Amino acid sequence: GNSVTQMEGPVTLSEEAFLTINCTYTATGYPSLFWYVQYPGEGLQLLLKATKADDKGSNKGFEATYRKETTSFHLEKGSVQVSDSAVYFCGGGGTSYGKLTFGQGTILTVHP
Amino acid sequence: NAGVTQTPKFQVLKTGQSMTLQCAQDMNHEYMSWYRQDPGMGLRLIHYSVGAGITDQGEVPNGYNVSRSTTEDFPLRLLSAAPSQTSVYFCASSYGDRGDSPLHFGNGTRLTVT
Repeated sequence: GNSVTQMEGPVTLSEEAFLTINCTYTATGYPSLFWYVQYPGEGLQLLLKATKADDKGSNKGFEATYRKETTSFHLEKGSVQVSDSAVYFCGGGGTSYGKLTFGQGTILTVHP
Repeated sequence: NAGVTQTPKFQVLKTGQSMTLQCAQDMNHEYMSWYRQDPGMGLRLIHYSVGAGITDQGEVPNGYNVSRSTTEDFPLRLLSAAPSQTSVYFCASSYGDRGDSPLHFGNGTRLTVT
């Protein structure tokens, strides 16, 4: 079956630092890939997505590029803010039915 | 816009008790699912539904039942709670049957079984 592997956390950064959270996937075919963000006490929210190879998803200064050759979808942001502190989940779409497979989540803490 | 609504937000049960976690969505989404979130495990799919009257098992279905009598509602039942079911439960819905349809999540139910 499909699987998604995220870099181990937690990640602690200072404000304005560069962020990378690694995500790789194993799947039959080339599923759509997503990054979700979870703020404290809330459910997950879609941050960005890419549906095919070489697609770049972007939102709120975050970017991720669907790399078929390395089966990766790493999340990046050039300058993080304290408000970016949250848990980030990488997810891969299944064949259908909204059945995403998620990575284990990465806790990001940004200090002023 | 209510989106996906889960109740209750918090619940404490004793081992062996039963309860139902409620989930409702007002977006006319065909697809609904339940996930549990545990530290270091990410989110794991419990059950899902592709439409009213149709349900199927996910990755960790044991100890849970679901039904889908309407498009809007997808309750999750614990028939005999166990401490291993202590977790945060999320209901989610999506609008399409393609793999690129993003999920819309509720705010979760935090369940503790003692």
